Amino acid sequence: ILNVEQSPQSLHVQEGDSTNFTCSFPSSNFYALHWYRWETAKSPEALFVMTLNGDEKKKGRISATLNTKEGYSYLYIKGSQPEDSATYLCAFLMEYGNKLVFGAGTILRVKS
Amino acid sequence: DTAVSQTPKYLVTQMGNDKSIKCEQNLGHDTMYWYKQDSKKFLKIMFSYNNKELIINETVPNRFSPKSPDKAHLNLHINSLELGDSAVYFCASSQRVRTKNIQYFGAGTRLSVL
Repeated sequence: ILNVEQSPQSLHVQEGDSTNFTCSFPSSNFYALHWYRWETAKSPEALFVMTLNGDEKKKGRISATLNTKEGYSYLYIKGSQPEDSATYLCAFLMEYGNKLVFGAGTILRVKS
Repeated sequence: DTAVSQTPKYLVTQMGNDKSIKCEQNLGHDTMYWYKQDSKKFLKIMFSYNNKELIINETVPNRFSPKSPDKAHLNLHINSLELGDSAVYFCASSQRVRTKNIQYFGAGTRLSVL
């Protein structure tokens, strides 16, 4: 059974704080790691797809890193804003696999 | 101009009924999926079709049957609905190889079985 774990489960920060959360996944048979942003009452939207060990991706104030050898990825948000409030999901894709295995998500709430 | 659209958005029905949820994508993708968001908010894959061929068929009751009439459509039919089927069901599509399976999700269908 493939296990994808995210921590923390939820996070409450003040506007302007920087924050980060973790996704852990199996380190064998790695193919790709996805990050999605899921706002309340909307559908998940892809942020990043990462494939290479040491990959670093950035979109505005959000960035992500990938370590495939030890099986983890970090998502960073610099200077959090209330509009960053959402659930952040990671998903693991195995080599030769067809299905994404999602973590339970980290719920981020940013207070103004 | 919605990329992945699923209907209906809400479905309230009685136990024992048969119902269908429809999904259409206009992105030209070759793969479509059905996910169930369970009570712990996990997104779990149920089925996937690639070019109308079933490629993922997870352990779900055989009361659930997907049907893909063409690459752009994947419908989910549920027979003899049970209380435990109440959940949010998400359709998604992807272009499997070129984009490493980035998923584009529909807005979800909230199914309530009474």
